Amino acid sequence: GAVVSQHPSRVICKSGTSVKIECRSLDFQATTMFWYRQFPKQSLMLMATSNEGSKATYEQGVEKDKFLINHASLTLSTLTVTSAHPEDSSFYICSASGPVSSYEQYFGPGTRLTVT
Amino acid sequence: AQRVTQPEKLLSVFKGAPVELKCNYSYSGSPELFWYVQYSRQRLQLLLRHISRESIKGFTADLNKGETSFHLKKPFAQEEDSAMYYCALSFSGGYNKLIFGAGTRLAVHP
Repeated sequence: GAVVSQHPSRVICKSGTSVKIECRSLDFQATTMFWYRQFPKQSLMLMATSNEGSKATYEQGVEKDKFLINHASLTLSTLTVTSAHPEDSSFYICSASGPVSSYEQYFGPGTRLTVT
Repeated sequence: AQRVTQPEKLLSVFKGAPVELKCNYSYSGSPELFWYVQYSRQRLQLLLRHISRESIKGFTADLNKGETSFHLKKPFAQEEDSAMYYCALSFSGGYNKLIFGAGTRLAVHP
């Protein structure tokens, strides 16, 4: 149980276009989801905290107009990278607070974004 | 600000040797500490958390508030323990968000 999926697993887009990444909790309802970014051989950097039905809370230095987060239901959160540039190329990972304990997070497999 | 430090990028040991992955944190209040593990080509998963005081796959970790540490230990390493290990901190008022350390790669050689 407590499985989180992400779609797509890999995406390549051209500079200037937008790309949407979906994060789903498959077998539980997640009131809170988190979006991370991971650079090669580096740790996870929290980008934002997403609560169902409310605006996401962004970490300092993360552009909210560039990384649009929507958490419209208890099982789905989306991250849209708008007007993508090569420097946005990264590994994006989402997680969801677990069904039993709110402090436990279950992670998705990640999405590799390459902007050409 | 809250911070997690993992001083070693790589820890290389032989099978059967003891393992200690270091983690220090910076937080003035009472933190929740976790160890997450990422095996090759797999997603991040929770290994253990300090409040449960349990042993998972032979690993243990004790929170030392005096030294602000939460080192991960295993007396006899196995090859299947090879993975990336991340120490993480959650704190009151942080809405359950996690602050991750840089991670330590554990390589267990036969």
